[in-house]
Formats: sequence, C-alpha cells, structure tokens
Amino acid sequence: ILNVEQSPQSLHVQEGDSTNFTCSFPSSNFYALHWYRWETAKSPEALFVMTLNGDEKKKGRISATLNTKEGYSYLYIKGSQPEDSATYLCAFNTGTASKLTFGTGTRLQVTL
Amino acid sequence: GAGVSQSPSNKVTEKGKDVELRCDPISGHTALYWYRQSLGQGLEFLIYFQGNSAPDKSGLPSDRFSAERTGGSVSTLTIQRTQQEDSAVYLCASSLGPGTPGDEQFFGPGTRLTVL
Repeated sequence: ILNVEQSPQSLHVQEGDSTNFTCSFPSSNFYALHWYRWETAKSPEALFVMTLNGDEKKKGRISATLNTKEGYSYLYIKGSQPEDSATYLCAFNTGTASKLTFGTGTRLQVTL
Repeated sequence: GAGVSQSPSNKVTEKGKDVELRCDPISGHTALYWYRQSLGQGLEFLIYFQGNSAPDKSGLPSDRFSAERTGGSVSTLTIQRTQQEDSAVYLCASSLGPGTPGDEQFFGPGTRLTVL
C-alpha cells in the first residue's frame, strides 16, 4: 500500500466498552508511526510516537502496538468514556523531521 | 511553555482575495510544517521548513500558495486569488528537528478558512 489506511471510518460505542482501531501503512522506508487524538475545535494531541517493531505503548486506558514488518498498528481503548469521543489519526514518516502522511482517521463516539 | 499558536482562528474571504495565515511555533523547535484538511479529506502536507535549509514545497497544490519563515521562527502561509476549493482547516506544527528520536510534531489549533 502507498497510503495510510485506517479502519473503521467511524465507531459508536457505549460507555465502558473496549474498542480498537487499525492503521495500515507502507512497510518500506519506515521511520515512525504517530497516533493523534483530534477533538473538534482543538489542536490534534499526540498520543504515541512509535519507532521499533514490536513496540507497545500505554497511556492510561489507551495503548498501541506496532508491527513494522507487515505495516500495521493497533490502538486500543479500554473502558471507553464519553471524553474519549474524538477522531483518532495515525500518520507515518520516513525520517526524522519529515512530513507526516496521515490516514483519514477513525471517528469515535462514546455515549452513556 | 506555550504551545503552537495560529492566527486568525477563523477567516472568511471572498473568492479572488489574498489571505495570510500566521503560525508561531514552540520556542526552540527548528522544524515547522503546514498541513490542511479539506472537507471529507485527511490531513494533507503542504510545506516544511527545517532550520536554514531550503523548504520542502512538494505539497503546495498550486503556485497561488506560498510560505515563508522569518528568523527561523514565525511562519506565514499566503494564498493568492483564493478559490472555493481552498476552503479548509489549515494546521501548523513544529518539532525539535533532526536527531530527535521519533521527532514528535506538536500542532496548533488551526485556522478555518472559508472562501465564499
């Protein structure tokens, strides 16, 4: 694949549900994979920057894994809360201080 | 410290007019990026500045778009003779630059441009 692909495009879950998203990216010339959370009218907020194959990172209820050989990353949210509602973006770049190529995002809505 | 700031937050202009969008990066960040998100599209790279090197302009969609970065800090994105398809959210980001592991990019809140 030449572009970054994210699935699903949107997701609607209830409070307390756990969920996960997928990001696929080109496995050649890989440098880093970035996950962002973007809430309406706010700045995209960096969640994780991952560079090593097999990397797993965690921040509170959110975690991510990385497979650079097959070109995919998973983002997991455990026990979703309404404040998790946002668009989750993944992006990759091919070198330090280089442009990010973004997927179109997964829009998550968490309801009570 | 302060994050990346952008101004204006919203801009409505008429087709054919020129607009300037401003970005103040995080102090000490040598790399500065411009992206935009058009309706229904993903974030799209426009231009990138790194230190005193020539900018990477490969993402600029037409010669109506230009950007400069003065003194290695503030950047201005200029769109001449705006068209309706220029309507988008324009985001600026900065990072520490080469040699930083992962080199996380920090984003501003964006400028929402509407061309009538």
